[in-house]
Amino acid sequence: KQEVTQIPAALSVPEGENLVLNCSFTDSAIYNLQWFRQDPGKGLTSLLLIQSSQREQTSGRLNASLDKSSGRSTLYIAASQPGDSATYLCAVPVSGNTPLVFGKGTRLSVIA
Amino acid sequence: SQTIHQWPATLVQPVGSPLSLECTVEGTSNPNLYWYRQAAGRGLQLLFYSVGIGQISSEVPQNLSASRPQDRQFILSSKKLLLSDSGFYLCAWSVRGATNEKLFFGSGTQLSVL
Repeated sequence: KQEVTQIPAALSVPEGENLVLNCSFTDSAIYNLQWFRQDPGKGLTSLLLIQSSQREQTSGRLNASLDKSSGRSTLYIAASQPGDSATYLCAVPVSGNTPLVFGKGTRLSVIA
Repeated sequence: SQTIHQWPATLVQPVGSPLSLECTVEGTSNPNLYWYRQAAGRGLQLLFYSVGIGQISSEVPQNLSASRPQDRQFILSSKKLLLSDSGFYLCAWSVRGATNEKLFFGSGTQLSVL
């Protein structure tokens, strides 16, 4: 059974700091890994999708890496801003591409 | 472009009352459809997913049910709500048959059972 763990559960950083969020999964036979952002009381927004054949994906100040063999992924946020404050979740497929199993998320607070 | 609509945004229901949450997707055909629940302090839990009309897979035994009467419509129902049904319900869709497609979520329904 696929299980996803995210560390830390919560993180508070000053504005401008670079930070890393961690995600680990138990079954490495995945097709892809996705990182999502969730604002309080809102739905999830997909940030990055890394295919199993890829090592990393970048979008603006976000960079996600994937080490499939060790069952780990990281989300790197450069030059953090207060607008980055949200909960970040990673998710991997149960089998093949869908459906997704989610971690509990990391709640990020960027202090101005 | 594709859009997903989910309603209502908030709902307060007494224990034992029925439930019907609706989700529709526009701008795509034959999507995979999902219902997730997010309870306070817990992760996102997959409840149901569907790969086609009338095809529903249930992930967690409970007093909830799902139906897909049309290709782009997904309904979550209950005959009698329990206190433990409270939570944030999210509908989502993805491209059917694709191996590396993103999951797109609706804006969610906050359900409080009192």
